[in-house]
Amino acid sequence: NAGVTQTPKFQVLKTGQSMTLQCAQDMNHNSMYWYRQDPGMGLRLIYYSASEGTTDKGEVPNGYNVSRLNKREFSLRLESAAPSQTSVYFCASSEAGREEGYGYTFGSGTRLTVV
Amino acid sequence: DQQVKQNSPSLSVQEGRISILNCDYTNSMFDYFLWYKKYPAEGPTFLISISSIKDKNEDGRFTVFLNKSAKHLSLHIVPSQPGDSAVYFCAATWRGGGSNYKLTFGKGTLLTVNP
Repeated sequence: NAGVTQTPKFQVLKTGQSMTLQCAQDMNHNSMYWYRQDPGMGLRLIYYSASEGTTDKGEVPNGYNVSRLNKREFSLRLESAAPSQTSVYFCASSEAGREEGYGYTFGSGTRLTVV
Repeated sequence: DQQVKQNSPSLSVQEGRISILNCDYTNSMFDYFLWYKKYPAEGPTFLISISSIKDKNEDGRFTVFLNKSAKHLSLHIVPSQPGDSAVYFCAATWRGGGSNYKLTFGKGTLLTVNP
């Protein structure tokens, strides 16, 4: 059982380049999330998708777009990368409820450097 | 405006002693709280949670205490082991949003357990 899979694990971009971070989960969860982690800033929510077909902005959405392709996949796109987007990006999924609790399952992260 | 605050960026303890990690929150709507552990180059993993109807939840060496009136929670690790060395994130949410819930994270505390 793979859980949440993120690709790529590492990426270096030049300023202005675009790229898409991929995320897939195999736990049949309805909700998926994208967070970024920066030193001294903790985990900040970029976008989330409460269910297939819906997406909403989080705390730091500027410069990003997302696509909930189907129930399994939730991608994050940087249209024109900036050095301020250098970060570690985590995808997560969850299924709220009595049995599942309210915790997330996280992927192992994508370390992105924009030069 | 930080809704979940972890005011200690780091904590160092001796193996076998108690580790106490603290977390404060400002949003009175939060009714469910979680702790995550994160090792370098890995995604955060769920550790323990507590509902606002309880003031204590225990799981092996880990105990979370909740003081609603003070809007404060703490994670106790007894006894501490070198393998517990990691970044610990406190998180909170309001379950009234159904599948639309989101976790708000603190900035994290780096715990170092010295042999």
